[in-house]
Amino acid sequence: GAVVSQHPSRVICKSGTSVKIECRSLDFQATTMFWYRQFPKQSLMLMATSNEGSKATYEQGVEKDKFLINHASLTLSTLTVTSAHPEDSSFYICSAAHLSGGAYEQYFGPGTRLTVT
Amino acid sequence: SQKIEQNSEALNIQEGKTATLTCNYTNYSPAYLQWYRQDPGRGPVFLLLIRENEKEKRKERLKVTFDTTLKQSLFHITASQPADSATYLCALNNAGNMLTFGGGTRLMVKP
Repeated sequence: GAVVSQHPSRVICKSGTSVKIECRSLDFQATTMFWYRQFPKQSLMLMATSNEGSKATYEQGVEKDKFLINHASLTLSTLTVTSAHPEDSSFYICSAAHLSGGAYEQYFGPGTRLTVT
Repeated sequence: SQKIEQNSEALNIQEGKTATLTCNYTNYSPAYLQWYRQDPGRGPVFLLLIRENEKEKRKERLKVTFDTTLKQSLFHITASQPADSATYLCALNNAGNMLTFGGGTRLMVKP
C-alpha cells in the first residue's frame, strides 16, 4: 500500500514553454502533498505544500507564479513549471502524507527529470 | 538555527558487517523521526518511523534508535549486502505533517 505515482518520469522542453507534472496517490487519499526539488548530490529541497481544495503554501524563495500547484482532488496534485528556463532543469519529486497510527509518513513518487534546452 | 546533520562522507563497509548511520539535530523538538532510502535518479523510499517516546524500532535487518536527550538517531543495517548500497536520509517532522530532511549519507557495501 501507500503508492505514489508521478508522470512523466522524464521530460525535455524548450526554453519558454510550460511543463506539467502530475502526482497521484494510488491507494490512499492525501489531503496534503509536497513538491520537492533536488539537485545532483544534494538533499531534497521543499518547494511547496499542496493542500487539497486550497492554495499551496510556498517556501521562501520559490516563485509561486512560476511553479503553479493545483491540488484538485484527494489523489492528484499537479506542478506546472511556467516559462521554463535552463536553470529550472532539475529532479522534481512529489510526496503524499499518509496518516498511520497518529503520525504522518510521507510516500514519494519516483521523480521527474526535467531538462530545459 | 535549526540543523539536521548527517555524515556527508560516504560510509564504506564490507558485506556482512553492520552499517551504522548517524543523524544529529539541533533546535528541533520532533514528535517523530523518519528514515528513507534513495537510489540515484529515484524518489526516496520510506523505511521506518520512530516516535519521540520510542527508544528503538526494528524492521527485518533495520534498527533505528531515537535519543531525544542527545538529539540523535542511529540507523543500523545488520548483515549488510551490496544491494543495501544507497543514500539514506533522515527526516524530522517540523510542524504537523511537514518533514525537513538531512543531507543524507551514502552507504557503499562492498562484496
